[in-house]
Amino acid sequence: AQSVTQLDSQVPVFEEAPVELRCNYSSSVSVYLFWYVQYPNQGLQLLLKYLSGSTLVKGINGFEAEFNKSQTSFHLRKPSVHISDTAEYFCAVRRYNNNDMRFGAGTRLTVKP
Amino acid sequence: EAQVTQNPRYLITVTGKKLTVTCSQNMNHEYMSWYRQDPGLGLRQIYYSMNVEVTDKGDVPEGYKVSRKEKRNFPLILESPSPNQTSLYFCASSSRGWTPNEKLFFGSGTQLSVL
Repeated sequence: AQSVTQLDSQVPVFEEAPVELRCNYSSSVSVYLFWYVQYPNQGLQLLLKYLSGSTLVKGINGFEAEFNKSQTSFHLRKPSVHISDTAEYFCAVRRYNNNDMRFGAGTRLTVKP
Repeated sequence: EAQVTQNPRYLITVTGKKLTVTCSQNMNHEYMSWYRQDPGLGLRQIYYSMNVEVTDKGDVPEGYKVSRKEKRNFPLILESPSPNQTSLYFCASSSRGWTPNEKLFFGSGTQLSVL
């Protein structure tokens, strides 16, 4: 089965600084990759996804992620964060034609003024 | 407004007392799923349903039951809750679970405490 490892449980950063949230995955078959965001007291929302094609994927709120097959990574980046980006971010992976979506443990991004 | 509605938002109960967490979606989605979220473990899938009367186990189905008698509803049943089921639960739905272009819509969560 596929699995996801988010390498940082917490990432504190100052406003307007760049940020990278790291995600590695393992799978014996091809997968789809996702990033979800969870704001306080809310459910998860889809940020972006990689299905195929260009390895650089752009999502909502200025986030982007790059799929690296050789390193089995799907890191999330934003060049300049805002206070409102404070949330928990989840990387997820799903095999082709399979409902089994596996989530990472989450990374709590805290943006300080 | 398109949404997934879970009730209750918070629930405190005692060991062994049967409970049901309801989930309803108004988007005519075929696929629905339950997850539990625990610190350091992320979200783990409990059960999912591809359509009415079709349900399958996820990663952590032990101690849970589900039913899908109607398309819009997917209740999670704990017949005999135990303290290790204390967790934050999320219901999610999408129009087709296996199609990558679909996204999951999540409910706001149910915080369950079993004493």
